[in-house]
Amino acid sequence: QVQLVESGGDVVQPGGSLRLSCAASGFTFSTYGMHWVRQPPGKGLEWVAFIRSDGSNKRYADSVKGRFTISRDNSKNTLYLQMNSLRAEDTAVYYCAKDVAAATVDYFDYWGQGTLVTVSS
Amino acid sequence: QSVLTQPPSVSGAPGQRVTISCTGSSSNIGAGYHVHWYRQLPGTAPKLLIYGNSNRPSGVPDRFSGSKSGTSASLAITGLQTEDEADYYCHSYDSSLNDYVVFGGGTKLTVL
Repeated sequence: QVQLVESGGDVVQPGGSLRLSCAASGFTFSTYGMHWVRQPPGKGLEWVAFIRSDGSNKRYADSVKGRFTISRDNSKNTLYLQMNSLRAEDTAVYYCAKDVAAATVDYFDYWGQGTLVTVSS
Repeated sequence: QSVLTQPPSVSGAPGQRVTISCTGSSSNIGAGYHVHWYRQLPGTAPKLLIYGNSNRPSGVPDRFSGSKSGTSASLAITGLQTEDEADYYCHSYDSSLNDYVVFGGGTKLTVL
């Protein structure tokens, strides 16, 4: 069965950095696009970033562009999110989500359990 | 606020039917882009409920149905059960924004 397991969430000071990981199993990771979606405490879902199956195309939400970098290692079946210059408003549960398509954005058929990032001094 | 508008809350008694609306614009739902729905039970990750406006993934009971018309979409739940109490989110694509993946603000369903 499909499994997505995020890790790397932590408490970090404003201006700090963090790298999240998402270990995938149960499907051919290299043939699907992947996303990061976040949810601030008590609030709704916000899309963060997308990466094409082969890593050749990446898209970011305006709120994180220039600060976050999405990447993937298809040999390790792992998705990453490098987060720099973190702000208080980045505090959220971060979910990795699998797209049903390889190269375009469609919809998310599987989600991980999430990892909490708290930005606070 | 969210690009897609949902009511913050809806409620219904067990066995009743409720609908949750998702209102967009000519650059998203009205442009013909599909609408998808996710259910988030308390303390858990979202889970796909409806895709492509009206399709149910395997395992989702036919009590759940989706529809789309013009610039809006709706999720209907019949035969309400206490375990349906959750947050529901609609999702679509917007051609006018750089943040082209857009969600509704979410609707809290309370089963009375």
